[in-house]
Amino acid sequence: DAGVTQSPTHLIKTRGQQVTLRCSPISGHKSVSWYQQVLGQGPQFIFQYYEKEERGRGNFPDRFSARQFPNYSSELNVNALLLGDSALYLCASSPQESPIQNTEAFFGQGTRLTVV
Amino acid sequence: GEDVEQSLFLSVREGDSSVINCTYTDSSSTYLYWYKQEPGAGLQLLTYIFSNMDMKQDQRLTVLLNKKDKHLSLRIADTQTGDSAIYFCAEESGGSNYKLTFGKGTLLTVNP
Repeated sequence: DAGVTQSPTHLIKTRGQQVTLRCSPISGHKSVSWYQQVLGQGPQFIFQYYEKEERGRGNFPDRFSARQFPNYSSELNVNALLLGDSALYLCASSPQESPIQNTEAFFGQGTRLTVV
Repeated sequence: GEDVEQSLFLSVREGDSSVINCTYTDSSSTYLYWYKQEPGAGLQLLTYIFSNMDMKQDQRLTVLLNKKDKHLSLRIADTQTGDSAIYFCAEESGGSNYKLTFGKGTLLTVNP
């Protein structure tokens, strides 16, 4: 079985541009969460989606948005990129939304975004 | 709010035990986690502990939880060079999204 797949693996954008990152969860997983990991820091929660609905949002500006599709894949969009948005963006998928969801969650390898 | 603190660096010799410590603030956390991240890679879940337990052992890994002091530790027995990585402690918040709050990570260096 394939694990959590994220694309692209790396990309470079210019300040002010927009970017879309993609995540394909493990087959059968319905919950997707997004995290931002700035160099030297731990991951920070951005969004969680379950059954195509937003279930949680972290302390990120409205420039960040996401959605989940009927096949449970997800996209994270960031508008008006800033230098500070440079980070590793991680996607995690889980079979369900529940108190045990993180015990069954798997992370993808991440997308390394560099804003210049 | 949630906050997780951990020491930034730990260096041990191969074959010794490693102990990585973490403190957290959210007393309503149901689960606490340890993740491993190797250079250029995503996060790998190593182990977790339910908040009503005080110890969990899984092969070379032992997790100790002191809920009163909100202190969590990860002990790696017989540390190998392949254990060199960044280790993150994370707490899971209550509420509807079960988000994880991570510490900044502890860089474990294992010297031959």
